[in-house]
Amino acid sequence: AQTVTQSQPEMSVQEAETVTLSCTYDTSESDYYLFWYKQPPSRQMILVIRQEAYKQQNATENRFSVNFQKAAKSFSLKISDSQLGDAAMYFCAYRGPNFGNEKLTFGTGTRLTIIP
Amino acid sequence: DAGVIQSPRHEVTEMGQEVTLRCKPISGHDYLFWYRQTMMRGLELLIYFNNNVPIDDSGMPEDRFSAKMPNASFSTLKIQPSEPRDSAVYFCASSRLYLAFFGQGTRLTVV
Repeated sequence: AQTVTQSQPEMSVQEAETVTLSCTYDTSESDYYLFWYKQPPSRQMILVIRQEAYKQQNATENRFSVNFQKAAKSFSLKISDSQLGDAAMYFCAYRGPNFGNEKLTFGTGTRLTIIP
Repeated sequence: DAGVIQSPRHEVTEMGQEVTLRCKPISGHDYLFWYRQTMMRGLELLIYFNNNVPIDDSGMPEDRFSAKMPNASFSTLKIQPSEPRDSAVYFCASSRLYLAFFGQGTRLTVV
């Protein structure tokens, strides 16, 4: 079974600085999808960024980027120019490639605090 | 699009009562997922559907839980009878291709 590990229960960063959240996963598949979701206090799960495993180029969405290391099974999220609105729980998630593997497997989350 | 719509947002019920949670997926999405979030267990999949057909219900805790998807625009998750340990946030998500979008969740409290 696939597993997703987030080893940092909590992180904090000064406003306008850069922070990196870590995620590792375990799978025997060669093709899959990885995601970062943000959950603010409103509890809405918001898709931040996604990465297809067959793509070597790291995904970028505005201030959010990932460092995808397929061989190491690592998928970290970098938030640049941190803003107060970035404060939230961040979940890393894995999705398999084939029919019957469409479910998302989540890590335990990292709580990010932004220091003004 | 209005996104995934769940109702109610909050539900407080007494132990032993029946609880029904509702979900309207995003139009055109062919997958629908029900997840449960608790402090102890995190986010866990309960069941998911493809084109209204249940694909994997291995996460449904026990027979007290049931889910239906009578058509492409509506799904329900029912708990009967409810127990205090069912207290959690229940999320519905829908997807097309590999991108899943979540509703705002239903916070269920069983007293």
